[in-house]
Amino acid sequence: GESVGLHLPTLSVQEGDNSIINCAYSNSASDYFIWYKQESGKGPQFIIDIRSNMDKRQGQRVTVLLNKTVKHLSLQIAATQPGDSAVYFCAVSGSARQLTFGSGTQLTVLP
Amino acid sequence: DGGITQSPKYLFRKEGQNVTLSCEQNLNHDAMYWYRQDPGQGLRLIYYSQIVNDFQKGDIAEGYSVSREKKESFPLTVTSAQKNPTAFYLCASKSGQTAGYTFGSGTRLTVV
Repeated sequence: GESVGLHLPTLSVQEGDNSIINCAYSNSASDYFIWYKQESGKGPQFIIDIRSNMDKRQGQRVTVLLNKTVKHLSLQIAATQPGDSAVYFCAVSGSARQLTFGSGTQLTVLP
Repeated sequence: DGGITQSPKYLFRKEGQNVTLSCEQNLNHDAMYWYRQDPGQGLRLIYYSQIVNDFQKGDIAEGYSVSREKKESFPLTVTSAQKNPTAFYLCASKSGQTAGYTFGSGTRLTVV
């Protein structure tokens, strides 16, 4: 089966700096990857996704990088803002078309 | 607007009682999921349903039951057999064409 882990359970960054949240997965057959943001007391919200035929995908202030060789996924947030404070989850989908979630990284933005 | 609605937002249960959490979606999604989230932890799959009148156990199904009589609705019952039900419960749905899930806003269940 698939397992998904995040490298750091917590991350603190200064407002305006860039944030990088990392995720590792175990199944080399995984072909779809998503990052979710979860604010306190709310459900996870989709941020950005990437398929295995891509290495990089950019959104508004966010970039996802995929390294299939080492089975590593990262989320980069540019110019981090106080509203970015939340828990960030990576999720991975394989042949069963179900998502397996990591345990989440709590991002705290310092003033 | 299309979306997925969970109710109630907060729920209190006495020891020995069954309670049912509601999940409704108007996204015309085929698949629906229930997850449990404990403080500081990730999402653990309780039950899922890929089609009406069919559902499958997830990783932590003991003490829970579900039904899928309508495409739009996937209620979760937390039974008295669930020994530690206090948690945040999330419902999600997915269409057959995409791999990403849409989540509801969650129900926080507390045993009193």
